[in-house]
Amino acid sequence: AQSVTQPDIHITVSEGASLELRCNYSYGATPYLFWYVQSPGQGLQLLLKYFSGDTLVQGIKGFEAEFKRSQSSFNLRKPSVHWSDAAEYFCAVGASGTASKLTFGTGTRLQVTL
Amino acid sequence: DVKVTQSSRYLVKRTGEKVFLECVQDMDHENMFWYRQDPGLGLRLIYFSYDVKMKEKGDIPEGYSVSREKKERFSLILESASTNQTSMYLCASSLRAGKLFFGSGTQLSVL
Repeated sequence: AQSVTQPDIHITVSEGASLELRCNYSYGATPYLFWYVQSPGQGLQLLLKYFSGDTLVQGIKGFEAEFKRSQSSFNLRKPSVHWSDAAEYFCAVGASGTASKLTFGTGTRLQVTL
Repeated sequence: DVKVTQSSRYLVKRTGEKVFLECVQDMDHENMFWYRQDPGLGLRLIYFSYDVKMKEKGDIPEGYSVSREKKERFSLILESASTNQTSMYLCASSLRAGKLFFGSGTQLSVL
């Protein structure tokens, strides 16, 4: 069965600082990987996804993520965080062929200090 | 833009009541999903549907059922609500192998 681990429950960064959110997955074959963001009181919005090809994927709002098969990781990065990035971030994995049936991690809450 | 609409933002029910959570999407998506979100547990899949009148159990289906009579509508049913079903419920839809579009959620409190 597929699974996702987000080891950081809560992260605080200063505005303008760089950000990296960690995600490790477990899946037997090449997974489909996703990062979603949830702002307070809102549903989830897709930031970026990896299906195949280039292991560095670009998303919306200046985010990027890198798929590392050897480390079973798909970490999310942003070079300079804005106060509006404060939210909860979820990593998710889907099986190839049924990519819409996703398994989510427990989330990382990002706090941004001014 | 795709819109996934959940009928209620907040809902308060009593133990033992039958509860219906409604979800409608406006983009002709084949796939629809119900997740529940709990602090520290992330999102967990309850049920999903790949087509009208078709349903499959997710990871935590116990205590829930679903109905999909029309392509655009996916209902989650709590046959006899219990306090441990107090949670945020999120509906989502997608095209085949596409990204999920989420509704804003229904915060259900069972007293």
